[in-house]
Amino acid sequence: DSGVTQTPKHLITATGQRVTLRCSPRSGDLSVYWYQQSLDQGLQFLIQYYNGEERAKGNILERFSAQQFPDLHSELNLSSLELGDSALYFCASSVTSGRSTDTQYFGPGTRLTVL
Amino acid sequence: AQSVAQPEDQVNVAEGNPLTVKCTYSVSGNPYLFWYVQYPNRGLQFLLKYITGDNLVKGSYGFEAEFNKSQTSFHLKKPSALVSDSALYFCAVRAAGGTSYGKLTFGQGTILTVHP
Repeated sequence: DSGVTQTPKHLITATGQRVTLRCSPRSGDLSVYWYQQSLDQGLQFLIQYYNGEERAKGNILERFSAQQFPDLHSELNLSSLELGDSALYFCASSVTSGRSTDTQYFGPGTRLTVL
Repeated sequence: AQSVAQPEDQVNVAEGNPLTVKCTYSVSGNPYLFWYVQYPNRGLQFLLKYITGDNLVKGSYGFEAEFNKSQTSFHLKKPSALVSDSALYFCAVRAAGGTSYGKLTFGQGTILTVHP
């Protein structure tokens, strides 16, 4: 158990809908990262937050957004869902802003299925 | 831009034999290199990382990895494989410094199967 928690574990929804994925980082970690794992794209970095501020952005679609709250938990919002958004979404956390050698610890993931 | 290649989609090895999972990388500047393992229906578990110093890094569950700067490689090794090592293995790289902060770039993954 990495100490990173993600809810829900599974999510099944329809095209065009909006969902919210939640992540709680390890105690003491200030950075949260979101990754998408799909069969065709592999593991892709989406976005990073550090202490409430967006720090780095990857190949995140405009339909997707994220935020980190004062208690450091993070939410990833996916809207206007398409079939291709079906994937495993991971959250990871680390102690610092990422410009260092610290390790990212991953949560168990949320499996999103869009029908 | 940074990238990682894992040239083998699958590696098969007999239990008790040594195993190697290959990884090569491309990054501007010095690399930070990581290995993660993913078991079915589980998240990624950290195995080991190379930051600087000794080219041979030891990690969890008896795994080690050798950093080779001239070949831009970071191969994962274990002297004696166990059936329980069967899983999906990911190599990842992060550039030291720059504006990418904590962004990890992952390889496509290698399925390791250890046969009894």
